[in-house]
Amino acid sequence: NAGVTQTPKFQVLKTGQSMTLQCAQDMNHEYMSWYRQDPGMGLRLIHYSVGAGITDQGEVPNGYNVSRSTTEDFPLRLLSAAPSQTSVYFCASSTPTLSYEQYFGPGTRLTVT
Amino acid sequence: LAKTTQPISMDSYEGQEVNITCSHNNIATNDYITWYQQFPSQGPRFIIQGYKTKVTNEVASLFIPADRKSSTLSLPRVSLSDTAVYYCLVATQAGTALIFGKGTTLSVSS
Repeated sequence: NAGVTQTPKFQVLKTGQSMTLQCAQDMNHEYMSWYRQDPGMGLRLIHYSVGAGITDQGEVPNGYNVSRSTTEDFPLRLLSAAPSQTSVYFCASSTPTLSYEQYFGPGTRLTVT
Repeated sequence: LAKTTQPISMDSYEGQEVNITCSHNNIATNDYITWYQQFPSQGPRFIIQGYKTKVTNEVASLFIPADRKSSTLSLPRVSLSDTAVYYCLVATQAGTALIFGKGTTLSVSS
């Protein structure tokens, strides 16, 4: 099993550009989440999904969209990048509930100039 | 979701036992206590989870008193590779999201 994979590893965007961060898991986990981590801070939940076709907002959802068309994939879309979105983004998956052990991907380091 | 409070940083030496205490005064009846470890440039990794009393696995022990308002993560005989940030989280089994605080930065020296 590859576990949770994220692409790209690094990305630089200009203000106003849009992009999609990819996340995939091969563990057949129902639950997937996106977090962001700013320097010296803990992780903050952006969006999460409890199954295909079901998503919900986390602590800091503004400026981000998600969709869950398959169990395996959970892409995060930045609609119009802003410097405040410069961060490291982590995707995680888990089962049977979000509070059980979560498996995290390696992260995507995003810089918005 | 219950808020957690833990020390910002701790220092230790190789071979010592390290205890990191987390306060969660508003923990609800159905909440579980979970600890994660994070190395630089990596995603967090699950260490241990418990509801009450004591839980032990191959990595750590988790002590939870009867009132469940605090918990202590115990790392036996730490090594340099245990230098990391440790997060204490409280979450319900009902499927609500995890809330990470700033964690405790543990530095282990030789």
